[in-house]
Amino acid sequence: KQEVTQIPAALSVPEGENLVLNCSFTDSAIYNLQWFRQDPGKGLTSLLLIQSSQREQTSGRLNASLDKSSGRSTLYIAASQPGDSATYLCAVNSGNTGKLIFGQGTTLQVKP
Amino acid sequence: EAGVTQFPSHSVIEKGQTVTLRCDPISGHDNLYWYRRVMGKEIKFLLHFVKESKQDESGMPNNRFLAERTGGTYSTLKVQPAELEDSGVYFCASSPFSGGTEKLFFGSGTQLSVL
Repeated sequence: KQEVTQIPAALSVPEGENLVLNCSFTDSAIYNLQWFRQDPGKGLTSLLLIQSSQREQTSGRLNASLDKSSGRSTLYIAASQPGDSATYLCAVNSGNTGKLIFGQGTTLQVKP
Repeated sequence: EAGVTQFPSHSVIEKGQTVTLRCDPISGHDNLYWYRRVMGKEIKFLLHFVKESKQDESGMPNNRFLAERTGGTYSTLKVQPAELEDSGVYFCASSPFSGGTEKLFFGSGTQLSVL
């Protein structure tokens, strides 16, 4: 049974700092992995999608890596800003559908 | 382009009552998913429609939950009768393809409180 774990559960950093959010999964047989952002009271916004054949994806200040063999993914945020404050969720797709297995998320606070 | 729309945004009901949640996917998206997050837990899959057909309903908690997608457009999720443990946020998501390689687009969710 696939399980997804995100560490840390919460993180507070000063503005401008580079940071890494971690996601681990127990079964390496995945189709892809997505990182989402959720703002309070809002839905989930897909940030990056990494296919199983890829090692990383980049979008602006965000970079997500995937190491299937070790069951790990990281989300790197460069030069963090207060607007980056949100909950970041990692989700694994183990089948060829949209049935995602989510981690519990990391709540990030970036202080001005 | 309109995103995934869910309503109501909030619903407060008493135990034993019935509640119906609605989801309008992005136009043209054949795939529609329901997920929910109960307090303190991770977001969990409930079911998946391809057009009007249920492709996978393995995540539905019990037979008090009934999902429909008439005509392959919008979907409803009915809880009858509601129990306290049904409280949480119910998310709907859609995608154009079912190959599992596409991003899912999520709605803002319905916050359900059962008192």
